[in-house]
Amino acid sequence: GAGVSQTPSNKVTEKGKYVELRCDPISGHTALYWYRQSLGQGPEFLIYFQGTGAADDSGLPNDRFFAVRPEGSVSTLKIQRTERGDSAVYLCASSPGATSSYNEQFFGPGTRLTVL
Amino acid sequence: SQELEQSPQSLIVQEGKNLTINCTSSKTLYGLYWYKQKYGEGLIFLMMLQKGGEEKSHEKITAKLDEKKQQSSLHITASQPSHAGIYLCGAARIQGAQKLVFGQGTRLTINP
Repeated sequence: GAGVSQTPSNKVTEKGKYVELRCDPISGHTALYWYRQSLGQGPEFLIYFQGTGAADDSGLPNDRFFAVRPEGSVSTLKIQRTERGDSAVYLCASSPGATSSYNEQFFGPGTRLTVL
Repeated sequence: SQELEQSPQSLIVQEGKNLTINCTSSKTLYGLYWYKQKYGEGLIFLMMLQKGGEEKSHEKITAKLDEKKQQSSLHITASQPSHAGIYLCGAARIQGAQKLVFGQGTRLTINP
């Protein structure tokens, strides 16, 4: 079956611009996660959705970052006034939901964001 | 700095050799996950350990979570070129928490 998909795969933008990154989770998965991975580092948690609501947004670095999941499926990560330090691979993951304590998170291929 | 420390950071082994990667935390780990990542790709789930002393195997890869739940090891037997990639450990810091913290990864190269 289809896995987690992310679009675009690559995004190059200029400093100060606005970008949107999209994530399509596995069908039926109620939990969705965004992580950011810098070169040579492990993924860093940004935000977690359970259904339509953000259950934990403690990883968002500042108010330039915002994410939505209006219908409980597709999610969009929005970054305003991009800075060069925002350059990273943005990973999305989904899992079946909080039916048990720990769920395997299925990751998408990521969106590589480059801010010039 | 990463909350989970992985060692070694990189590893080069000859095909057919065994190897071990470690993941260490100063705090109790809950739901310890091992993932593999190839350059430019997402993370591929390998195994999840939850209970202290637990051990799981899949093909030639074995993962263990120590009794105190503060360290995990990933062991590969008779390594193959297909094992090459970056291995990442991830864990929940709070019991029942959904977000994961990750180590910095271990880059594994297999020489033929």
